[in-house]
Amino acid sequence: DGGITQSPKYLFRKEGQNVTLSCEQNLNHDAMYWYRQDPGQGLRLIYYSQIVNDFQKGDIAEGYSVSREKKESFPLTVTSAQKNPTAFYLCASSIAGTNGNTIYFGEGSWLTVV
Amino acid sequence: AQSVTQLGSHVSVSEGALVLLRCNYSSSVPPYLFWYVQYPNQGLQLLLKYTSAATLVKGINGFEAEFKKSETSFHLTKPSAHMSDAAEYFCAVTASGGYQKVTFGTGTKLQVIP
Repeated sequence: DGGITQSPKYLFRKEGQNVTLSCEQNLNHDAMYWYRQDPGQGLRLIYYSQIVNDFQKGDIAEGYSVSREKKESFPLTVTSAQKNPTAFYLCASSIAGTNGNTIYFGEGSWLTVV
Repeated sequence: AQSVTQLGSHVSVSEGALVLLRCNYSSSVPPYLFWYVQYPNQGLQLLLKYTSAATLVKGINGFEAEFKKSETSFHLTKPSAHMSDAAEYFCAVTASGGYQKVTFGTGTKLQVIP
């Protein structure tokens, strides 16, 4: 079945460590996104990519980095510069752009700082 | 600029009662509007979307929403709540014309009381 796979589902990070969340899609979508979800705050856009080898910062990009070397993959690295990384992270994809096109979501990854 | 406001972070209804979740939007251009549902520890799933074809939009699981331009609203309704409807619901807006960011509301948690 087509869909978006995020891994791992649960991840623990020590202070000062970088961690990478994986996101793979087989929907043949050009656009991919990373959102952060905190209780009571809805979803906030971290980074998005409309095409391979290109990506743009969202509203809360500080402390995060991404790459888009393949159409299917959009990994997110949470760096040590992100001071409050504990959250639920959602990867998503859509047909090019979001001009009325549905955004499809993965199952999410929980990141906890220990 | 665009935004959505979801009135009520928590809504409780009895099983079999009407479900009404409120969403008001702000957009300087004709909007596209979405309702998503999120079950605990999962990603978001599209319930329905408005893309200007018809003001009354029917979605999955018996939900529907009506676009009212004069009231800048896109409220979600279901005639009879079921226990399985207990989840968090997000309203989202994007503007027409090229790539536009999708803005999500802060969510409404629906509790269904047996």
